[in-house]
Amino acid sequence: DGGITQSPKYLFRKEGQNVTLSCEQNLNHDAMYWYRQDPGQGLRLIYYSQIVNDFQKGDIAEGYSVSREKKESFPLTVTSAQKNPTAFYLCATKSPPNRGKSYGYTFGSGTRLTVV
Amino acid sequence: SQKIEQNSEALNIQEGKTATLTCNYTNYSPAYLQWYRQDPGRGPVFLLLIRENEKEKRKERLKVTFDTTLKQSLFHITASQPADSATYLCALPRTYNNNDMRFGAGTRLTVKP
Repeated sequence: DGGITQSPKYLFRKEGQNVTLSCEQNLNHDAMYWYRQDPGQGLRLIYYSQIVNDFQKGDIAEGYSVSREKKESFPLTVTSAQKNPTAFYLCATKSPPNRGKSYGYTFGSGTRLTVV
Repeated sequence: SQKIEQNSEALNIQEGKTATLTCNYTNYSPAYLQWYRQDPGRGPVFLLLIRENEKEKRKERLKVTFDTTLKQSLFHITASQPADSATYLCALPRTYNNNDMRFGAGTRLTVKP
């Protein structure tokens, strides 16, 4: 089945530690996105990539980094500079319009990151 | 910047009734608007997209309206069922017609049997 795989499902980070969240897709979509979700808030865009070897900062990129070396993979690193990293992280892809029809995002099942 | 407001953090209704959720936005009117469903601990699932020139869109028991004058979209679930209980998110493009979306905080719907 085509889809997005995020791993791990749960992740615990110690103070001062960098951690990397994995996002892999086999949908052959060019565009990939990382969002952060906090209780009572909408999803906030961290980084996005429209094509391999290119990515752009979203609304809350500080303390995060990404890479896009392969079409299938868009890992997110939460660095020690991110002071409040506890949140639910969601990776998404978007297919290009087909015959004038646009589609929504396809999301992974998320990674819940907790600082301990 | 664009602000998205989904009225009422939570909505409780009786099974069989119609649920109506509201999404209001400020500033520019987007070329389209999307609605998603999210279950606890899961990623959102895309439901419907409505364009600025479409007043209404339907999919099975779902109906979405888009009023660019009021800057508002309404999301209706008719003949609601307990299985419809979830959080529903609306999303708009970050600029008029691009692919990068901004999401509302969502409305948590509970359908009681």
